[in-house]
Amino acid sequence: LAKTTQPISMDSYEGQEVNITCSHNNIATNDYITWYQQFPSQGPRFIIQGYKTKVTNEVASLFIPADRKSSTLSLPRVSLSDTAVYYCLVGDMWSGATNKLIFGTGTLLAVQP
Amino acid sequence: DAGVTQSPTHLIKTRGQQVTLRCSPKSGHDTVSWYQQALGQGPQFIFQYYEEEERQRGNFPDRFSGHQFPNYSSELNVNALLLGDSALYLCASRRIAGGSYEQYFGPGTRLTVT
Repeated sequence: LAKTTQPISMDSYEGQEVNITCSHNNIATNDYITWYQQFPSQGPRFIIQGYKTKVTNEVASLFIPADRKSSTLSLPRVSLSDTAVYYCLVGDMWSGATNKLIFGTGTLLAVQP
Repeated sequence: DAGVTQSPTHLIKTRGQQVTLRCSPKSGHDTVSWYQQALGQGPQFIFQYYEEEERQRGNFPDRFSGHQFPNYSSELNVNALLLGDSALYLCASRRIAGGSYEQYFGPGTRLTVT
């Protein structure tokens, strides 16, 4: 599974757009990029997943350039409740029972009023 | 529709003791994975169960073992507890059939070893 690198922490203010970038230089052809959000003492929560270009859902957007060596999670108009750790994961999510997730240390996003 | 549930919520054990943690997957899910999350770290994969068999295993010693029951629920057993086993233990479930890629995590069990 490809190794990922993310900033350890980021600060933002309420109402701002936040972009968290993850680098994954060794991504393989069959790998997908997945982002999870985790609050203290809770299990991670799936945010978004993509393979290439742009993916958007009701909570976030994921931008993946053509070479797929990096990806950017975009959170529009963050609020205090978005303060959490965000994990970027890369792996082949479709190969049968091979679905263990490799988490890094994640990015701690702190949103201030 | 209940999500992934885990019990107990918190647990305190002494070094050398044994512990069993329990997980019920989300309705319709057939695969359960267990993760250990130390304070300040990301979750680390322990193992995965599908069709009542261990399918994949992370870098954890044999002291960590598990079981999956016919109703898809699962147990994680840890023998000869060490202080370093203190962590949040997370259970995640998914449905293999249909190629679903999303794993749902439970709230975790906080294990403290003294």
